[in-house]
Amino acid sequence: QKEVEQNSGPLSVPEGAIASLNCTYSDRGSQSFFWYRQYSGKSPELIMFIYSNGDKEDGRFTAQLNKASQYVSLLIRDSQPSDSATYLCAAGNSGGSNYKLTFGKGTLLTVNP
Amino acid sequence: NAGVMQNPRHLVRRRGQEARLRCSPMKGHSHVYWYRQLPEEGLKFMVYLQKENIIDESGMPKERFSAEFPKEGPSILRIQQVVRGDSAAYFCASSTRQGGTGELFFGEGSRLTVL
Repeated sequence: QKEVEQNSGPLSVPEGAIASLNCTYSDRGSQSFFWYRQYSGKSPELIMFIYSNGDKEDGRFTAQLNKASQYVSLLIRDSQPSDSATYLCAAGNSGGSNYKLTFGKGTLLTVNP
Repeated sequence: NAGVMQNPRHLVRRRGQEARLRCSPMKGHSHVYWYRQLPEEGLKFMVYLQKENIIDESGMPKERFSAEFPKEGPSILRIQQVVRGDSAAYFCASSTRQGGTGELFFGEGSRLTVL
């Protein structure tokens, strides 16, 4: 059973702080990893994807991947109240099909003004 | 450019009735995916369709569930003889090509409640 585990939270950080979201996955064959943001009652929205070990930065967001530890993280710098949402970690299928994603249950992030 | 459109957003059915959920992909997208989110669970892949073809239905329950994406019109997820365990949020996603770089664009979901 392929699994993606996330701490459900809620994770609460003050405005301007760094929010750190973590995720582990069980399928060692997974090659691609994704972070989605989902506001309550809204659609999941892709924030970042990462395929290679190391860090990938995009604006205030940094995704980190460590395949040896089967660990993915998302850092949000200078957190804003508008970042308050549920963050979903997902792993692509080990067969390389990026449509069959395995999602974690999500981490609820609250950024306090 | 409209996003992925799903309707109805909310649907209430009694046990034994049928539920039909519709999904119109983003303009220019020919690949459609259905995911289900049960209460307190993560999104789970159900089925992948292109126009008139089911490409991968490995996540679909064997009975009562079917999906189609006709040449004209939206994709439809059909659940026959619904049971309480079918209560969930059903999300549709679309992409320009198979999975793209993971850029599945999701709709806002259809929330099915079975009484």
